Amino acid sequence: DVKVTQSSRYLVKRTGEKVFLECVQDMDHENMFWYRQDPGLGLRLIYFSYDVKMKEKGDIPEGYSVSREKKERFSLILESASTNQTSMYLCASQDLKAANTEAFFGQGTRLTVV
Amino acid sequence: GEDVEQSLFLSVREGDSSVINCTYTDSSSTYLYWYKQEPGAGLQLLTYIFSNMDMKQDQRLTVLLNKKDKHLSLRIADTQTGDSAIYFCAETHQAGTALIFGKGTTLSVSS
Repeated sequence: DVKVTQSSRYLVKRTGEKVFLECVQDMDHENMFWYRQDPGLGLRLIYFSYDVKMKEKGDIPEGYSVSREKKERFSLILESASTNQTSMYLCASQDLKAANTEAFFGQGTRLTVV
Repeated sequence: GEDVEQSLFLSVREGDSSVINCTYTDSSSTYLYWYKQEPGAGLQLLTYIFSNMDMKQDQRLTVLLNKKDKHLSLRIADTQTGDSAIYFCAETHQAGTALIFGKGTTLSVSS
């Protein structure tokens, strides 16, 4: 079974803090993604990575950065957290070799910035 | 740009059929997906269909694809209370690219 694990289910951080959200997958997938999910807005892509040290901006990259030093780990960084970054963050991974290109999701991290 | 639209809410009675609809704008969409999100959980793939197919059936689930109208639907037969969840339609036109998601349809099943 593919497993995508996000390091925290719930996080509460203060405005201005630097926040790290970690995601690890155990199936040697090339692609990894970070989405944020907000009521009525669905899932919006923040960043994705198709290889180690490679990254591409998604639809809403402002205020975020990412790091992929190892194939299995993709980190999302909030340089200076703000209240409008309170959201559910979902990490996903994807096997380029699979015919249906299914994306596998972690359980999500609900971040509250106060 | 690419867009995926779906209605936000659907309410059905237990035992009825549910039909969740989705429209997309990218005519080059190749892979179309339905994901399910239960409360407090991540997304789980329910089923998918390639653009060269019109229909796919998997137990209680039937996916219909109308490429001309760029319309995708998910039918759940004999809907159960355990089917209550948010259902997301998603598409991508190329293997290895990020999925584009709709806003999600919240299915509420009453007994």
